[in-house]
Amino acid sequence: EAEVAQSPRYKITEKSQAVAFWCDPISGHATLYWYRQILGQGPELLVQFQDESVVDDSQLPKDRFSAERLKGVDSTLKIQPAELGDSAMYLCASSLEGADNEQFFGPGTRLTVL
Amino acid sequence: GQQLNQSPQSMFIQEGEDVSMNCTSSSIFNTWLWYKQEPGEGPVLLIALYKAGELTSNGRLTAQFGITRKDSFLNISASIPSDVGIYFCAGQPGNQFYFGTGTSLTVIP
Repeated sequence: EAEVAQSPRYKITEKSQAVAFWCDPISGHATLYWYRQILGQGPELLVQFQDESVVDDSQLPKDRFSAERLKGVDSTLKIQPAELGDSAMYLCASSLEGADNEQFFGPGTRLTVL
Repeated sequence: GQQLNQSPQSMFIQEGEDVSMNCTSSSIFNTWLWYKQEPGEGPVLLIALYKAGELTSNGRLTAQFGITRKDSFLNISASIPSDVGIYFCAGQPGNQFYFGTGTSLTVIP
């Protein structure tokens, strides 16, 4: 069964360091999403891609967060420098074009900033 | 951002009991979704609703799109231990999705 792949599953870093997360969506899914989920809360959209283009990054803290999907397939989310408040689960999801109401999520990357 | 309120926040029930939870929004939604998330995993889509009043089932799960388009309900019948997890509603008032605060379900064998 096709799945969204994410790595690493867990990341521990010290504040002010740079971290990067990788996501490989389900083959054929043109739309890719990055969410942040703070413990005890629901996921919050950070950025949405349609192929290689950003369609919504209004909630992305652009002073320290960046995301790219250069070839319209896999994607990287980077935080530099990491802050204590960035500790959270970072989830990637994908969907078919025009079917953003049926998003499939990856297992997430659990980030801990010390 | 959009506020989606889920209730109850947590539930502890005996195996075999039925479960009901709901989600309300401050604005009208075009789509309602229900997800289940288990510890250390990403959410898994359970049911998607697209029209006001729509009632959709997936096995022991039944969800409804409220008539006012500002709420949705999820029922689980005859709960079993593997129903344990956090259930999230998600809604789409426009192009962006918003998730609720989650209902944590514990099933006691």
